[in-house]
Amino acid sequence: QIQLVQSGAEVKKPGASVKVSCEASGYTFINHGITWVRQAPGHGLEWMGWISTYHDKTDYPQNLQGRVSLTTDTSTSTAYMELMSLTSDDTAVYYCARDLWVRHAAAGCPLDYWGQGTLVTVSS
Amino acid sequence: QSALTQPASVSGSPGQSITISCTGTSSDIGGFNYVSWYQQHPGKAPRLMIYDVSVRPSGVSDRFSGSKSGNTASLTISGLQAEDEADYYCYSYTTDVTSRVVFGGGTRLAV
Repeated sequence: QIQLVQSGAEVKKPGASVKVSCEASGYTFINHGITWVRQAPGHGLEWMGWISTYHDKTDYPQNLQGRVSLTTDTSTSTAYMELMSLTSDDTAVYYCARDLWVRHAAAGCPLDYWGQGTLVTVSS
Repeated sequence: QSALTQPASVSGSPGQSITISCTGTSSDIGGFNYVSWYQQHPGKAPRLMIYDVSVRPSGVSDRFSGSKSGNTASLTISGLQAEDEADYYCYSYTTDVTSRVVFGGGTRLAV
């Protein structure tokens, strides 16, 4: 069965960086893009970016450009999200999710499988 | 990026039908049929309920349906059940230069 399993909770100090992993199984990893979404406590969902290994492309929202980096490791079918220069506003649950469509060349694809979420707490 | 506009909350009784609206612009909902809807129970990951405006993924009850008119998409849930109580988010592709994807602010459904 298709699964996305994320790394465990993190506690970071302001100014630090965090790297969250998302290990995929049950499908051909390179054929589906991965989107990252976060949710601050008591708030809605926020799109953080998209990566396609097949097309060697990434897409980020302007408000996170330069601070977020999405990568993949095809040898382990794992996607990574690194967020730098953390502030308390980055305290949130971070989710990875799989593109529904195969080899889609742009962000905005429906997201059919989700990781369990990773809580990142930024506190001094 | 500007979020799509959803009502903060809606409510209904078991067996009734409710509709959640999601209003955007011609740059997102109005310009493309790339609207999807997600259900999220407390402490859980979101679940895809509708995509491409009105397509139900396998395993989603046919009580859930989607539609679009102009810049507004809608999710209708018929025959409300207690298990439908959750947060619902719309999501769309957009040509906005600040972000390629935009979520709605979310709607809390009380049954």
